[in-house]
Amino acid sequence: SQQGEEDPQALSIQEGENATMNCSYKTSINNLQWYRQNSGRGLVHLILIRSNEREKHSGRLRVTLDTSKKSSSLLITASRAADTASYFCATDSPNAGGTSYGKLTFGQGTILTVHP
Amino acid sequence: DAGVIQSPRHEVTEMGQEVTLRCKPISGHDYLFWYRQTMMRGLELLIYFNNNVPIDDSGMPEDRFSAKMPNASFSTLKIQPSEPRDSAVYFCASSPGTTIYFGEGSWLTVV
Repeated sequence: SQQGEEDPQALSIQEGENATMNCSYKTSINNLQWYRQNSGRGLVHLILIRSNEREKHSGRLRVTLDTSKKSSSLLITASRAADTASYFCATDSPNAGGTSYGKLTFGQGTILTVHP
Repeated sequence: DAGVIQSPRHEVTEMGQEVTLRCKPISGHDYLFWYRQTMMRGLELLIYFNNNVPIDDSGMPEDRFSAKMPNASFSTLKIQPSEPRDSAVYFCASSPGTTIYFGEGSWLTVV
């Protein structure tokens, strides 16, 4: 099963509205990352939040992390048509020594459509 | 830096043929990953390397798949023989240890 699972699977909004996507995961993490994928392209890193952080901002992006609930949310404010893409959360889980394996486990993604 | 470079970008091949996908990671990145993406299964990690050494190949579907990294600047993913169910987008990615940088993918269609 996927370590990260996004909700909703698809989200359709109007330009200017806010978009919120959620991610749940099962095991402990070192950090959680969000990626964006435009149609036909590779994934692009958006933001990283470490396990000891609760909230992080980058431009119009706001990420929260609740390790007690093993969940994260990505908020895109004042959405634009250009934000139309798939958004993935990815988790970096610690090895037995507490450090990173170096790999990420990706969820299934949320397809965001922003209508002009 | 040009980013992660993959070739070919698109390939259509007949069932039973050998397919070789190539990747040049970002210089200085210690990790290299091969992912496969399909509508049904999403993004799957096939194998990853650290300093050219395979660390985890548990995601490789079967013996028809093999991957090599002969040096820090080149990796290949080979499918032999190919089958229609191998049709997917194959991504190569590299990382210095945290953030992963993806190539644009190799779109494989096996007919």
